[in-house]
Formats: sequence, C-alpha cells, structure tokens
Amino acid sequence: QQQVKQSPQSLIVQKGGISIINCAYENTAFDYFPWYQQFPGKGPALLIAIRPDVSEKKEGRFTISFNKSAKQFSLHIMDSQPGDSATYFCAASYLTGNQFYFGTGTSLTVIP
Amino acid sequence: EAQVTQNPRYLITVTGKKLTVTCSQNMNHEYMSWYRQDPGLGLRQIYYSMNVEVTDKGDVPEGYKVSRKEKRNFPLILESPSPNQTSLYFCASSPRSWVPGNSPLHFGNGTRLTVT
Repeated sequence: QQQVKQSPQSLIVQKGGISIINCAYENTAFDYFPWYQQFPGKGPALLIAIRPDVSEKKEGRFTISFNKSAKQFSLHIMDSQPGDSATYFCAASYLTGNQFYFGTGTSLTVIP
Repeated sequence: EAQVTQNPRYLITVTGKKLTVTCSQNMNHEYMSWYRQDPGLGLRQIYYSMNVEVTDKGDVPEGYKVSRKEKRNFPLILESPSPNQTSLYFCASSPRSWVPGNSPLHFGNGTRLTVT
C-alpha cells in the first residue's frame, strides 16, 4: 500500500513559470515531510522539508505548502529554470525514526 | 568528504548468476537501507539495517539478501537474479538521530542493473 501518493507523474513547464507537485498521505502520525531532488545519474538529495506544525516553508524559489487537515502537501517552484529539470520525490517519516516512505516521483522538464 | 559509495555503477548479468552490489558509508551512520527505483513506482525499500547484525525487510525483499557485519558496509546480494530485478538501485544511510534541517537520508549515486 502506497503510504504517500504523488502527482503528476511528469510535468513540463516553461522557463519562468510555476511548477507544482502534489502529495497526499494517510498516516497522521507522520511528522516530517521532506522533498528530494534527483538529477540523472545521481542519488536523490534533500531539497526542502517541513514539519506539520507550520503551513508553509520557503527556501529561495522553493516553497512547501502543508495542509494538515487534508493530509496533503505540495512543492511549488517559482520562476522555474532549466536547471530545475529533475525528478522530485516527496516523502514522509517520523522524526524519531529512520523509515522514509516515498512518493512515486515527478519528472519535471523546464523548457527554455 | 561524507559520502555513500556504491559499486558497481552499471552491471549487466544473466539470469541466475549470483551478484553482489556493495555499499559503504564514511559517516558512521547506524542506519542503512537499500531501495530500488522503477518508472512510475518511485523508490521502494528492499531491506534496511538499524545497526550491525540487525537487518529487516522493507516493502520488496523477495529475491534479495543483505548483511551488516560492519557498520560502514551494507552489501546487497542477488543469489539468483531474474529479469524482473532489472532496476536502478540506491543505497542510503542515516544517523540514529538527526536534526531537522540536516539531511536525514544520504544516498549513493546508484547502480543500474540489467538482468537478461
């Protein structure tokens, strides 16, 4: 059973546009929600993360929006750039543990 | 440099020929894990280890074995590979406890396995 559901599977955005990737989870005990970015030939690397006690976290052009009541969170990439073209994974875990549950990934292509 | 190192990066083999993918980390992490990445399925956990001599199954353990004899190494063993194990494999490590803001999970650069 997929603990974290992610959409869309692929996304094409024009340079300068906004990229939005959505995730949903079921287990309300999760208390840490990271996003990982993966470039071809590389392993995933932490991009940004949020805890459920805040509704939004922003780091540069990347923002996580978190809706605890709906059990949903999303990644927004503002002013998308060709260098942002990568695969993005959302995940959920417990702060006190080491198990991470990943979404199915979104392949983002930013067209110049 | 802190890193997780996997070898080999690419491997082509035939059905039934035993193989081992090595994983080593130099961060003294207690937790290590193996994932496979397949299109449309994302990252699925194969096995994980909370510490030396402690291993447990993830979501897709069938056809795989692991061992954790030393803290730094966590090899993935396919005793009789089959074509459905053709995939991109990632090893990852994490400290026992970590602080939000630091990356909790460090990944290697992957091993692309093809079984014919």
